[in-house]
Amino acid sequence: AAGVIQSPRHLIKEKRETATLKCYPIPRHDTVYWYQQGPGQDPQFLISFYEKMQSDKGSIPDRFSAQQFSDYHSELNMSSLELGDSALYFCASSFGSYNEQFFGPGTRLTVL
Amino acid sequence: QQQVKQSPQSLIVQKGGIPIINCAYENTAFDYFPWYQQFPGKGPALLIAIRPDVSEKKEGRFTISFNKSAKQFSLHIMDSQPGDSATYFCAATSGSYNTDKLIFGTGTRLQVFP
Repeated sequence: AAGVIQSPRHLIKEKRETATLKCYPIPRHDTVYWYQQGPGQDPQFLISFYEKMQSDKGSIPDRFSAQQFSDYHSELNMSSLELGDSALYFCASSFGSYNEQFFGPGTRLTVL
Repeated sequence: QQQVKQSPQSLIVQKGGIPIINCAYENTAFDYFPWYQQFPGKGPALLIAIRPDVSEKKEGRFTISFNKSAKQFSLHIMDSQPGDSATYFCAATSGSYNTDKLIFGTGTRLQVFP
């Protein structure tokens, strides 16, 4: 069965650079969520989209922005990167809200 | 403030044992409680989930017990195997439109020895 696809899988950036993470949801899924997971931490919700509209927002820094496109894929844009942004970034998708969320393999971002 | 409290932080059992992981919540608006299994460097994988209208749900070797009045739920892993060694997260969500983000517990690192 098709799963959530995230790219790139690994990303190394310098401080103050920008990064773009991409997420391709499971086919027919219309809702995308972004989570950030620090080392040894639980995933923390960042932002979500339903039918290309932002549906909820968590503890996402103003330096980050995201959008969902007409084909339902989503991109998380991160600017002015800081050392503390180093983490695993997961995308999850579901069919409609209030349904099972399936996670992708994650993007490991390292900021040097 | 952790909205979903999970214990223990780590758990060691022998093969065939029945590890039990407990979670508690305060927000009575929560009405969907999934459990995720995560291996190092991988994404969380949905294991099993329960809604508050049932007190128990079983899928294969995994069982969720749910106590609505106590606002607690737990995961039991029957006949545990070394391959079950992973970090387990409970989670909760309100299920309301536009607020279905998952709130995770702090995780339990399970080690199953042969």
